[in-house]
Amino acid sequence: KQEVTQIPAALSVPEGENLVLNCSFTDSAIYNLQWFRQDPGKGLTSLLLIQSSQREQTSGRLNASLDKSSGRSTLYIAASQPGDSATYLCAVNNAGNMLTFGGGTRLMVKP
Amino acid sequence: EAGVAQSPRYKIIEKRQSVAFWCNPISGHATLYWYQQILGQGPKLLIQFQNNGVVDDSQLPKDRFSAERLKGVDSTLKIQPAKLEDSAVYLCASSSILRRGQGAAGYTFGSGTRLTVV
Repeated sequence: KQEVTQIPAALSVPEGENLVLNCSFTDSAIYNLQWFRQDPGKGLTSLLLIQSSQREQTSGRLNASLDKSSGRSTLYIAASQPGDSATYLCAVNNAGNMLTFGGGTRLMVKP
Repeated sequence: EAGVAQSPRYKIIEKRQSVAFWCNPISGHATLYWYQQILGQGPKLLIQFQNNGVVDDSQLPKDRFSAERLKGVDSTLKIQPAKLEDSAVYLCASSSILRRGQGAAGYTFGSGTRLTVV
């Protein structure tokens, strides 16, 4: 059974810092891995999708990497802003296209 | 394109009552999912449909939860009778068609229905 863990569970940083969110998974037989953002009371917004054959994806200030063999992914946020404050969720897609989510990292960026 | 629509946004019920949630996926998306997200946790899959057939419902508490997707478009999720531990956000998502050996394209989630059972 796939298990996904995210570290840290919560993070508070001053504006402008670069930061790294970590995600690990137990079963490396994945199709892809996806990072989502969730604002309070809202649904999930897809940020980056990395296929199993890819090593990383970039979108603006966000960069996600994938090391499938070691069961790890990182989300790098450059020059953090208060508007980046949200919960970030990592999810892996195994056979059957079911997403297994981690518990999330709650990020607070202070002005 | 329009997103995944869910209703209602909020619902408060007493334990042992019944409740139903509705989802309209993105047009053309064959695969539809219902997830349960308890406060402070990541979403957990309850049921997955491909068109109007169930692909996986292994984590659906079938003694009280039921779901259907008539005509392969809209879907409803029902809880009867509700328990206090069912308090959560119920998220609906859709994705493009399942292809054997490949992962689906990225999911699109609705805003969810926040259920409070008192």
